[in-house]
Amino acid sequence: GENVEQHPSTLSVQEGDSAVIKCTYSDSASNYFPWYKQELGKGPQLIIDIRSNVGEKKDQRIAVTLNKTAKHFSLHITETQPEDSAVYFCVAGGTSYGKLTFGQGTILTVHP
Amino acid sequence: AAGVIQSPRHLIKEKRETATLKCYPIPRHDTVYWYQQGPGQDPQFLISFYEKMQSDKGSIPDRFSAQQFSDYHSELNMSSLELGDSALYFCASSLGMSYTGELFFGEGSRLTVL
Repeated sequence: GENVEQHPSTLSVQEGDSAVIKCTYSDSASNYFPWYKQELGKGPQLIIDIRSNVGEKKDQRIAVTLNKTAKHFSLHITETQPEDSAVYFCVAGGTSYGKLTFGQGTILTVHP
Repeated sequence: AAGVIQSPRHLIKEKRETATLKCYPIPRHDTVYWYQQGPGQDPQFLISFYEKMQSDKGSIPDRFSAQQFSDYHSELNMSSLELGDSALYFCASSLGMSYTGELFFGEGSRLTVL
């Protein structure tokens, strides 16, 4: 089955700095890579996704990159704000209906 | 906008008891998914349903069963509860069985087994 590795497990930045989270996946058949943000006591919320036919996607302060050859994908958050503090999960899917494989999560803390 | 509704939000049970979690998908969504998230862990896929039929199965214990009803809501039944079943249980829904459709997650049901 699919295996997703996510780094770092914790990330602490100052407000206004950039944050980068990196993931690798194992199943070359995976072709859908969403990123979810989970705040304390809440369910995961989709913040951005990328499909295998695209190498990069940007939405305001958030960007994702995908390297299918190397099976790497990354999340970049620029101009971080305290409300960006949460757990971020990278996810690989596309090989089975709704059967998403989550990474281990990154606890992002943005200090004012 | 209406979201995925899960109930109860919190549930406390004793070992060997039975628990039932309910999930009401976003209106018009016909596919539901159940995930289990242990403390400090990532969500693990349990099972999914499309049009009231099981569509895929993950790491769901044999003690657990689930179904989707004609109004598309779903119930996860857990029997012979064990301490290790203590977790957050998320339900997600989507429109259609798309491999790459967005999943909308509910707020979760926290089960504590004593």
